[in-house]
Amino acid sequence: EAGVVQSPRYKIIEKKQPVAFWCNPISGHNTLYWYLQNLGQGPELLIRYENEEAVDDSQLPKDRFSAERLKGVDSTLKIQPAELGDSAVYLCASSPRQGMTDTQYFGPGTRLTVL
Amino acid sequence: DAKTTQPPSMDCAEGRAANLPCNHSTISGNEYVYWYRQIHSQGPQYIIHGLKNNETNEMASLIITEDRKSSTLILPHATLRDTAVYYCIVNQGAQKLVFGQGTRLTINP
Repeated sequence: EAGVVQSPRYKIIEKKQPVAFWCNPISGHNTLYWYLQNLGQGPELLIRYENEEAVDDSQLPKDRFSAERLKGVDSTLKIQPAELGDSAVYLCASSPRQGMTDTQYFGPGTRLTVL
Repeated sequence: DAKTTQPPSMDCAEGRAANLPCNHSTISGNEYVYWYRQIHSQGPQYIIHGLKNNETNEMASLIITEDRKSSTLILPHATLRDTAVYYCIVNQGAQKLVFGQGTRLTINP
């Protein structure tokens, strides 16, 4: 079974430029998550989708960050414009259903460097 | 904020059992204990979870104290590939995992 796929794996941009990350969850997984991980810290949830609906986006900085999950499968996370402090690893995860104890399966992440 | 306390780092010899402690003194009755680990340059990987009873799977064992205020993750025969950051997470459901800083476990040859 293929895992969660993320691309690109690495991205280097200059500040004020836009950037987008793409995630393909495990087939059949209805729930999709985007996390942010700063160096030396644990991941922090940015947004959670149940199918196409963003059900928890309270931690997403909406002035510059946006996300979408068209058709309830793939998802894109965008930053526009990027700031130096956005340098981090962006992780995508998925889980199979809206259960209480469903395991989250994480992708390898996209490492963003903003210069 | 994370509801757990873990030592920042631990060492273990290859082939020995690695015992990773976690304190969660404010856990409520309907909250589960989850363990994930993150190997360098990879995303976190689920290990095990439990509510009250001890649990075992192919990766590890989870021992939860009777008062549920602490738990221990046991890797029975640690290998070099078990070197990772281990996160203990307490949550009512798996949908919103709040990661702390975890324990950096180093397995030494």
